[in-house]
Formats: sequence, C-alpha cells, structure tokens
Amino acid sequence: DVKVTQSSRYLVKRTGEKVFLECVQDMDHENMFWYRQDPGLGLRLIYFSYDVKMKEKGDIPEGYSVSREKKERFSLILESASTNQTSMYLCASQRTGNYYEQYFGPGTRLTVT
Amino acid sequence: QKEVEQNSGPLSVPEGAIASLNCTYSDRGSQSFFWYRQYSGKSPELIMSIYSNGDKEDGRFTAQLNKASQYVSLLIRDSQPSDSATYLCAVNPGGYNKLIFGAGTRLAVHP
Repeated sequence: DVKVTQSSRYLVKRTGEKVFLECVQDMDHENMFWYRQDPGLGLRLIYFSYDVKMKEKGDIPEGYSVSREKKERFSLILESASTNQTSMYLCASQRTGNYYEQYFGPGTRLTVT
Repeated sequence: QKEVEQNSGPLSVPEGAIASLNCTYSDRGSQSFFWYRQYSGKSPELIMSIYSNGDKEDGRFTAQLNKASQYVSLLIRDSQPSDSATYLCAVNPGGYNKLIFGAGTRLAVHP
C-alpha cells in the first residue's frame, strides 16, 4: 500500500512568515507533486520533481519554492506567506513508468492571517 | 491548453440507482485515465484507472473509455449514501508524467 504523509493537517501562519510544508512517501517513487486546491478552481499544480534535486514549475509557481534533498521527501516552501495562499495543499507521489497513477497525502489546510 | 471537462453537478441519485459520471478531454494523445473520489475536507483517493478502450469493472464501479470520442465515464451501481463525494477525472497527456484534473462532479446519493 502506498503511503504519503504530510507534516501537518492544519496550519495557521501570519502574513510574511516563511512556511514549510513537508511530504514523505514510502514507496520509492521517483516523481512527487505539490498542488493547491481551492473551491471553484480545482487542483492546480504548483511544482513537481522527477528526481532528487530536480524540480520543475507547474502552473502556479509564483510565491513558492520546493526542495527535494532525498527521494522520499518533497518540501514546499512559502517564502513570505500571504493571505491569498490560504488553501488546501496536497502532495502526491507517482512511480515513473507507463501508468502514471498518483497517490495523494492527507493534505494540509493552511490559513494565513 | 490541455483540458479535462466535467459537469460540476450536483448529480443527485436515489439510493440503489446507477450514478453515471462523465468526463471529456481535449488531448487526443492521452494515454491513461483515472477516477478519484474526494470526500469533503479529505484528499483525493484513486478508485479506478483505465488505459484501453472499453469497460473496466471493479466491484460496483465501472470505468468506460472511448478514445475516438475523447470520453471517459464512471458508473456506480447500487449507489449508497457513502458514495456521496466529489469525483475527479484525471488524464495523462501523452509524453508527460503529469496528470490533468477536471474540476470534479459532486455526487449526492439520497436515501
């Protein structure tokens, strides 16, 4: 069974704070993704990574950065949190291959005040 | 822009009925197709995947794929109130590792 864990279920931060969201998967998957999900806007891809130390921008990378120092861990960083980054953040993991299914962590609901 | 379209719903069905959820996609080169179920406040859970034309059954769920019409659907037989959730269609465009998600269809199964 694939297991993807995220560091927090709920997080409240102040405007301007630096925020770290961590994601860990235990299935030796090569690919990892960060999404945000907002009502009416669906899932939007922020960043993804195909390998350690590799990252690629998704559709909405502005205001975010990522780090992947180890294969199992993918971190999302909000350099200076703003209220419009209040959202549900979802991490997903995927094996490189022919099938492309992604498995999601439980999500982090971030509120920036 | 590669797109995946779903009717947002809500789709309301009585308990025991068949729920039919539909999805269309724009990229003819798409290879893999997925259905995720998402309960309110929870993360998406993969429930079905389909890779070739035709039907694929798993328990009460049947996924149907028609690549010529660029159409994928999910049928839920004997719908239960516990099936009430948002169902996301996801498509892998050819040549990419990413998935493109639809906005989801909200299903409500009433007793």
